[in-house]
Amino acid sequence: NAGVTQTPKFQVLKTGQSMTLQCAQDMNHNSMYWYRQDPGMGLRLIYYSASEGTTDKGEVPNGYNVSRLNKREFSLRLESAAPSQTSVYFCASSGGRGQGAKGYTFGSGTRLTVV
Amino acid sequence: DAKTTQPNSMESNEEEPVHLPCNHSTISGTDYIHWYRQLPSQGPEYVIHGLTSNVNNRMASLAIAEDRKSSTLILHRATLRDAAVYYCILRPMNRDDKIIFGKGTRLHILP
Repeated sequence: NAGVTQTPKFQVLKTGQSMTLQCAQDMNHNSMYWYRQDPGMGLRLIYYSASEGTTDKGEVPNGYNVSRLNKREFSLRLESAAPSQTSVYFCASSGGRGQGAKGYTFGSGTRLTVV
Repeated sequence: DAKTTQPNSMESNEEEPVHLPCNHSTISGTDYIHWYRQLPSQGPEYVIHGLTSNVNNRMASLAIAEDRKSSTLILHRATLRDAAVYYCILRPMNRDDKIIFGKGTRLHILP
């Protein structure tokens, strides 16, 4: 099983450019998440989707939009990239509500640099 | 969301046991205690979880205090590959499944 797949793995953007980070999971999980991790820091939740068709803001949603395209896919869009969005972005999935006994599965991350 | 408190960093010698503490005094009765670790340049990976009883798996053991206000992740024989950031989080059983990560404990293993 591939688990959680993120593309691209690396990206350099110029300030003001837009891009979409892709995430797909093959575990039939209900919930999906986007986190960012700045150098030397912990993970901060950007957006999450508790189930197909729903999305909610996390701790740091400003400057981002998300789309839960279907049960498998959850994309993160930067409409106008800023240097402050330079970070490593992680996608994760889980079974969802009522699944407290089950763990999260994380992707390997997208390293984004905005110059 | 319930909060956890962990030491910023810890050191241990290779091949010795390591006890990583976590305080979660505001834990609710339906919160699971989960531990994740993040190796350098990788995404976090699940280590272990528990609700009330101590738990063992191939990676580690989890000791949960009787009042559930604290827990300890135990690595029985640390290796250099165990050097990572370890996160203790509370996962609600019956609420929206939104987990907030703290800064975790950076574990250094000395050869």
